[in-house]
Amino acid sequence: EAGVTQFPSHSVIEKGQTVTLRCDPISGHDNLYWYRRVMGKEIKFLLHFVKESKQDESGMPNNRFLAERTGGTYSTLKVQPAELEDSGVYFCASSQDRYNEQFFGPGTRLTVL
Amino acid sequence: QKEVEQNSGPLSVPEGAIASLNCTYSDRVSQSFFWYRQYSGKSPELIMSIYSNGDKEDGRFTAQLNKASQYVSLLIRDSQPSDSATYLCAVFMYAGGTSYGKLTFGQGTILTVHP
Repeated sequence: EAGVTQFPSHSVIEKGQTVTLRCDPISGHDNLYWYRRVMGKEIKFLLHFVKESKQDESGMPNNRFLAERTGGTYSTLKVQPAELEDSGVYFCASSQDRYNEQFFGPGTRLTVL
Repeated sequence: QKEVEQNSGPLSVPEGAIASLNCTYSDRVSQSFFWYRQYSGKSPELIMSIYSNGDKEDGRFTAQLNKASQYVSLLIRDSQPSDSATYLCAVFMYAGGTSYGKLTFGQGTILTVHP
């Protein structure tokens, strides 16, 4: 069984540009989560999808971040326009139901210059 | 006060010793508790989950949960150099009155096992 995959693994962009991160969850996992770790801080929750619906987006920093999950499969997280403080590692995780363990992808390291 | 706190470390133990990692949490309604291991530059890897008070053993790993004290720990017996990593405590917290929730992480404890 394939694990959670994320693309790209690294992205370096300039302030003001747009970046789109992609996550493919484990097949059959309805729950998909986005988390972020900025330098020196703990991993923090961004949002949670159940199938194609946003269940909780309380962790999204501001309206420059837009997450979608088309058809309840893969998800994208777009940052537009990117700011310096958006730099960090963005992790995606999926779980079979809301109580189960969450399995993490390898992350996308975003650097905004 | 942080929602999930871990002993800051770094923690260094000799090969073959027991490594003890501790975590406290602030939310009394938390129901599920997890330990993740993260090697440098890699994704967090789930190694233990625990849901009820007491001990749960899996190989060389033992998780201990005390909900009254809001405390969860991870013991690694017969520590090996390959156990050297950052260990993350994560607590599944419900979002208000809903039945859904999210993981809240501690800052992690760096463990080094030296030969």
